[in-house]
Amino acid sequence: DVKVTQSSRYLVKRTGEKVFLECVQDMDHENMFWYRQDPGLGLRLIYFSYDVKMKEKGDIPEGYSVSREKKERFSLILESASTNQTSMYLCASSLYFIAGPFRETQYFGPGTRLLVL
Amino acid sequence: LAKTTQPISMDSYEGQEVNITCSHNNIATNDYITWYQQFPSQGPRFIIQGYKTKVTNEVASLFIPADRKSSTLSLPRVSLSDTAVYYCLVGEPFPNTGNQFYFGTGTSLTVIP
Repeated sequence: DVKVTQSSRYLVKRTGEKVFLECVQDMDHENMFWYRQDPGLGLRLIYFSYDVKMKEKGDIPEGYSVSREKKERFSLILESASTNQTSMYLCASSLYFIAGPFRETQYFGPGTRLLVL
Repeated sequence: LAKTTQPISMDSYEGQEVNITCSHNNIATNDYITWYQQFPSQGPRFIIQGYKTKVTNEVASLFIPADRKSSTLSLPRVSLSDTAVYYCLVGEPFPNTGNQFYFGTGTSLTVIP
């Protein structure tokens, strides 16, 4: 079974702090994703990565950066946390992007609930 | 851009068939439609995926009309354990193509005994 783990289930930080959210997957997947989930807004893609050191912006990249130094690990960084970044953060991975039939399933971690005071 | 629209919530009694519809009027030719299920305090998990017509697996069926502007997730004979949020996803974030990728806002299904 694919396992995606996130470093913390709950996190409390203060405004202005630099915050690191870590995600690790154990299935040698090429692609990794970071989403935030807010009531009424569903899941919104922040960044994704399709290879080590490669990244691409999603819907809402402002205020975030990412790092992928190793294939299994994808980090989300809040450079200076703000209260409007209080949210549930979900990491996901998938095997690879393919052009033919079907799309690879995304496997999600359990989420990190971040509170910024 | 293929934005998606789903009902916010639905209730159903145990044993009934439940149909959840997702509208995606601007779906692109290459877009697939994928549905995910999310239980409280967990990440979403894959249920079913399709491109056109009907797809069935051991968990659900997915109906997609010829114009592909909507899709319907069908859960046969629901039980209390099917209480969850169901998300419709259209498209996929390919590299270097811009973000043509939308999760719906989710439908909260409550199954009543």
